[in-house]
Amino acid sequence: EPEVTQTPSHQVTQMGQEVILRCVPISNHLYFYWYRQILGQKVEFLVSFYNNEISEKSEIFDDQFSVERPDGSNFTLKIRSTKLEDSAMYFCASSARGKVEAFFGQGTRLTVV
Amino acid sequence: QKEVEQDPGPLSVPEGAIVSLNCTYSNSAFQYFMWYRQYSRKGPELLMYTYSSGNKEDGRFTAQVDKSSKYISLFIRDSQPSDSATYLCAMSAYQAGTALIFGKGTTLSVSS
Repeated sequence: EPEVTQTPSHQVTQMGQEVILRCVPISNHLYFYWYRQILGQKVEFLVSFYNNEISEKSEIFDDQFSVERPDGSNFTLKIRSTKLEDSAMYFCASSARGKVEAFFGQGTRLTVV
Repeated sequence: QKEVEQDPGPLSVPEGAIVSLNCTYSNSAFQYFMWYRQYSRKGPELLMYTYSSGNKEDGRFTAQVDKSSKYISLFIRDSQPSDSATYLCAMSAYQAGTALIFGKGTTLSVSS
């Protein structure tokens, strides 16, 4: 069964460093998303991406964050100058044409120290 | 007022019980409703999807949406220990490409 894959599963970084989280969405999906979940809190929307551009973003997704689809299969989230409060699970998701149901990857646990 | 509210539990039931999980919401524009299951430190797994009001059944799971009350439910029949997880409701006002708004999740424990 097709699935969204994310790498790495766990990333530890020092405060102020840049990190890139990587995702391979389901191959025939057209919409890509990043969500995050701080421990014990809700899953929160960060950004959606369609046709090589951001289609929607939340107020969390400020200038510290950027997304890119560098080739036909990967979708990345870059976090510049990480802060302690960026520590969270980051989930990539994708959905098919005309579908609102999103399929999630297993997440990258980001720990900023 | 929070957009999507969900009782976090924990909810503990014996094996074989019928489980009822619920969410309320405030945004009347929501039309698309989903239930996800999440195991500890894993990604949400889509269980059920419903558009607008009504019921949808899939095996032991039934999803109900009452838009007039802004209330959605997930029923699990003949619950199993493997159903022990956190159940998240999620909803959206628009079709593909837009944000899903999640509830905080209800933690369910089914004992054998």
